Amino acid sequence: DAMVIQNPRYQVTQFGKPVTLSCSQTLNHNVMYWYQQKSSQAPKLLFHYYDKDFNNEADTPDNFQSRRPNTSFCFLDIRSPGLGDAAMYLCATSRSGWGNQPQHFGDGTRLSIL
Amino acid sequence: QKEVEQNSGPLSVPEGAIASLNCTYSDRGSQSFFWYRQYSGKSPELIMSIYSNGDKEDGRFTAQLNKASQYVSLLIRDSQPSDSATYLCAVKGLTGGGNKLTFGTGTQLKVEL
Repeated sequence: DAMVIQNPRYQVTQFGKPVTLSCSQTLNHNVMYWYQQKSSQAPKLLFHYYDKDFNNEADTPDNFQSRRPNTSFCFLDIRSPGLGDAAMYLCATSRSGWGNQPQHFGDGTRLSIL
Repeated sequence: QKEVEQNSGPLSVPEGAIASLNCTYSDRGSQSFFWYRQYSGKSPELIMSIYSNGDKEDGRFTAQLNKASQYVSLLIRDSQPSDSATYLCAVKGLTGGGNKLTFGTGTQLKVEL
């Protein structure tokens, strides 16, 4: 089945130690998104790629960066994680951003900070 | 005013009853509307989408949209314990080049035996 796959499912890192989360897709979708979701809150969009075009949200901390080396893969880099960055990180894709195309989510990576 | 508002619940319904989940949005230019189901600790799963005023039915689920009132709802008929989850309303408008969804904080549904 075509899928959005996130690795790892659970990630533990130390305060201030860089961490990278990965997302891959077999849907051949143009758009890939990264969300942060904390308990009982709505998913918060961090940034998205439309093909190679990177779009950062205004309130995304500089600590968060992303790379999309090809259509299938997208990475979320957290340069110096703080305790407040502990959350579920969700990757989503859509065929295109326009119109009625829904977003499809991966299973998420739960990040814990020690 | 939040862009997408939902009652956080919990909404408790007995098994077999109809669950009614509501969502209002502030952006009149919103074009597309989605309902996602999210089980605790899991990622959101798309269950319904609606783009035109009126009702759209898919199995036990019916989405209702009223753009004039800026209101979208989800009805779940014959509710089952497996329907117990948080339901997220998501709205796509023209902001951000039309690429972005704005999510509500979700309504927690509990279906009781």
